[in-house]
Amino acid sequence: SQELEQSPQSLIVQEGKNLTINCTSSKTLYGLYWYKQKYGEGLIFLMMLQKGGEEKSHEKITAKLDEKKQQSSLHITASQPSHAGIYLCGAGGYNFNKFYFGSGTKLNVKP
Amino acid sequence: DGGITQSPKYLFRKEGQNVTLSCEQNLNHDAMYWYRQDPGQGLRLIYYSQIVNDFQKGDIAEGYSVSREKKESFPLTVTSAQKNPTAFYLCASSPAGNSYEQYFGPGTRLTVT
Repeated sequence: SQELEQSPQSLIVQEGKNLTINCTSSKTLYGLYWYKQKYGEGLIFLMMLQKGGEEKSHEKITAKLDEKKQQSSLHITASQPSHAGIYLCGAGGYNFNKFYFGSGTKLNVKP
Repeated sequence: DGGITQSPKYLFRKEGQNVTLSCEQNLNHDAMYWYRQDPGQGLRLIYYSQIVNDFQKGDIAEGYSVSREKKESFPLTVTSAQKNPTAFYLCASSPAGNSYEQYFGPGTRLTVT
């Protein structure tokens, strides 16, 4: 099975600071998905990356998939309290018959 | 509005009782999934279904059962055989094909005492 390791497990930053969350896969990624979860709620889709070297941005959040397609990073610029939550990376198996999630990174942004 | 609904939001049961969690979607998605989330952990796949009347076990299917009689519905039954049923349960759906942009319901928090 595919394993996704996220780091750090938790993060506390001051409002306005930049931060990066990493997601490393045990196998080649055929699609890497980033989701955000507010405490006790469902997941919200942020971005999907499929090609090595691909980079996507949405508002102040940028995600990249490295060339070797086994690691992705999520970067938040000028963090705000609204960015607080749990960020999870997810990936499907080669046959797209299953989907795996990382353990998540809990982000707190201090005003 | 299209989306996924899960009910109820909170559910309490006594140990030894079976309980069924509801998941309904009106997105016309072929694939549906059930995940379990424990505190401080990511999501673990319980069951998934790619088409009506067909479903497959995920990584932690023991103690759970599902049915997929209709495209819109994918109920999950937590049986008394599940040793640690207290958790947050999330249902998701996605379109057919090789895209995994999954749409999630709001979740059901099940507490068994």
